[in-house]
Amino acid sequence: EIQLLQSGGGVVPPGGSLRLSCAASGFTFHTNAMSWVRQAPGKGLEWVAAISGSGRTINYADSVKGRFTISRENSDNTVFLELNGLSADDTAMYYCAKDSTPLYMTYLFDHWGQGALVSVSS
Amino acid sequence: EFVLTQSPGTLSLSPGDRATLFCRANQGLNSNYVAWYQQKPGQAPRLLISGASSRATGIPERFSGSGSGTDFTLTISRLEPVDFGVYSCQYYGRSPNTFGGGTKVEI
Repeated sequence: EIQLLQSGGGVVPPGGSLRLSCAASGFTFHTNAMSWVRQAPGKGLEWVAAISGSGRTINYADSVKGRFTISRENSDNTVFLELNGLSADDTAMYYCAKDSTPLYMTYLFDHWGQGALVSVSS
Repeated sequence: EFVLTQSPGTLSLSPGDRATLFCRANQGLNSNYVAWYQQKPGQAPRLLISGASSRATGIPERFSGSGSGTDFTLTISRLEPVDFGVYSCQYYGRSPNTFGGGTKVEI
């Protein structure tokens, strides 16, 4: 069974930083790209960042470029999202998501983590 | 930039009804890269449809997708109580990928 178990999240002040983790199991982790997708309260889904299976290709949404960093540790089957320079607009539930097709970055997500809430507030 | 607009915002129906959800793009899409997700309160999204019309693994036959160009549709043939939630369309296959704002289905 494929599982994505997230950790991290919490309340941070404006300008603060946070690191989210997503531990994967049940599939060959290094062959699948991974993404982070967020959802602000009462809003729709917004793709944030993606990283290829090897980690060599990384893409970001314009809204987070230069502030967020996605990375992965294939030896630990874990993907990370480091959030810096946080503002109230970054308050959201953050989900990690598995790309459906091995060896490609399709941005089609067939499994999702349970979510981690990030709240930016003074 | 691709923008996906979903309608209606909310759909209030009864079990056994047919639900039709719309996703309109501001420019033509490659239908091979249109997906639909279901999300229930407090849960992560679940993939329903990819390639505009292909059901994901384990998705019941009452869910179907169609469309081309700028207009795409998700149909639930006979609503069941478990089908309540928010449904979102997505244009994937490229960066950045785009989600619609969602349609809430109330049973």
